[in-house]
Amino acid sequence: AQSVTQPDIHITVSEGASLELRCNYSYGATPYLFWYVQSPGQGLQLLLKYFSGDTLVQGIKGFEAEFKRSQSSFNLRKPSVHWSDAAEYFCAVALNTDKLIFGTGTRLQVFP
Amino acid sequence: GAVVSQHPSRVICKSGTSVKIECRSLDFQATTMFWYRQFPKQSLMLMATSNEGSKATYEQGVEKDKFLINHASLTLSTLTVTSAHPEDSSFYICSASGSSGGVDTQYFGPGTRLTVL
Repeated sequence: AQSVTQPDIHITVSEGASLELRCNYSYGATPYLFWYVQSPGQGLQLLLKYFSGDTLVQGIKGFEAEFKRSQSSFNLRKPSVHWSDAAEYFCAVALNTDKLIFGTGTRLQVFP
Repeated sequence: GAVVSQHPSRVICKSGTSVKIECRSLDFQATTMFWYRQFPKQSLMLMATSNEGSKATYEQGVEKDKFLINHASLTLSTLTVTSAHPEDSSFYICSASGSSGGVDTQYFGPGTRLTVL
């Protein structure tokens, strides 16, 4: 079955530490890939997206993600986490341009 | 970036009543709007897609007579939960897409928490 998996429900890191959030997808073809961040009281904000081309994608707020076709993965990374990065992060895919399929999310907690 | 608002942000209603949730694109014209439902600790599930002036397209398993969607203008879509029951309690999120209508231009509202007593 087609699916998007975020294996980590909850991750805790110290401020300044590096971060990697995992995302795997199961589709017959390479989908469009997205990472969103959801903060309380705010709408989902797009961090970055991959459609084609360079497999290392740079996003906003210092985030990047790497598409690995062989692993069907699109992991999100940040070299140094800030306390303001604490939020819920969603990986999403789209097979065409009209419907997003979301993973279950990873809650990031940042300790000072 | 583009701004999408939702009203109300939180609503509590009695079982059997109907509730209307508004989704507005504040600074752009939204040709397409999407309605999602998010359960606690779960992902967003697409309920329906609506294009301005057309009937909404509902996802499999979503009752169109229960979740009425109207997209009467390029800046406003409404979701009405009719005869709400406790199992309809959830977080409802809308998103709006601009001229290209695709997922790459979707902007999300902050969500509406519905609690049915």
